[in-house]
Amino acid sequence: DTEVTQTPKHLVMGMTNKKSLKCEQHMGHRAMYWYKQKAKKPPELMFVYSYEKLSINESVPSRFSPECPNSSLLNLHLHALQPEDSALYLCASSQDGGLAGDEQFFGPGTRLTVL
Amino acid sequence: AQTVTQSQPEMSVQEAETVTLSCTYDTSESDYYLFWYKQPPSRQMILVIRQEAYKQQNATENRFSVNFQKAAKSFSLKISDSQLGDAAMYFCACIQGAQKLVFGQGTRLTINP
Repeated sequence: DTEVTQTPKHLVMGMTNKKSLKCEQHMGHRAMYWYKQKAKKPPELMFVYSYEKLSINESVPSRFSPECPNSSLLNLHLHALQPEDSALYLCASSQDGGLAGDEQFFGPGTRLTVL
Repeated sequence: AQTVTQSQPEMSVQEAETVTLSCTYDTSESDYYLFWYKQPPSRQMILVIRQEAYKQQNATENRFSVNFQKAAKSFSLKISDSQLGDAAMYFCACIQGAQKLVFGQGTRLTINP
């Protein structure tokens, strides 16, 4: 299985809602990533988990809360988002977060709309 | 901090022809990796090709090859025998540290039949 899956594919939420994005991989990868991608822009790194520990937080607002319950699963909890948070949220994984040349495998993304 | 620049927002090529996408980067690290990723419309981003900076030989993957000029900090992607399935957004990227991918702004490639 060489796939990163993300659910849901689409999500519409109000500014007062609480929702979660889910990402899963069964490749035995030990590093997992969250990216935010606005339309016609490159992905921007948000968080990195390495061996289930948060290793990078790119100064993301606290309304985004990542969680890595186990080595295969990565969640992104959303609360009190703003309309400007509407974007494609991409999850990725790589075999070993300590190796610089590792390929990152991307999921299809969750398209989030905040009303 | 690393920066990656793609100066061509859009490119087009006739099917079966060859096209080259440009990328320049800036990094203070002595050892680093460079990547080209492809993002087709509404589909997953996938790795096209990877280059290790300490290797002088240019990487190749079937119809895809790079021209890596380390001194000039240039990393262009050549696609030979272009196919309709090559139509996508192409992102050049450099790895910062072990985990942080820094992407260029992307080049949208159109293949004309």
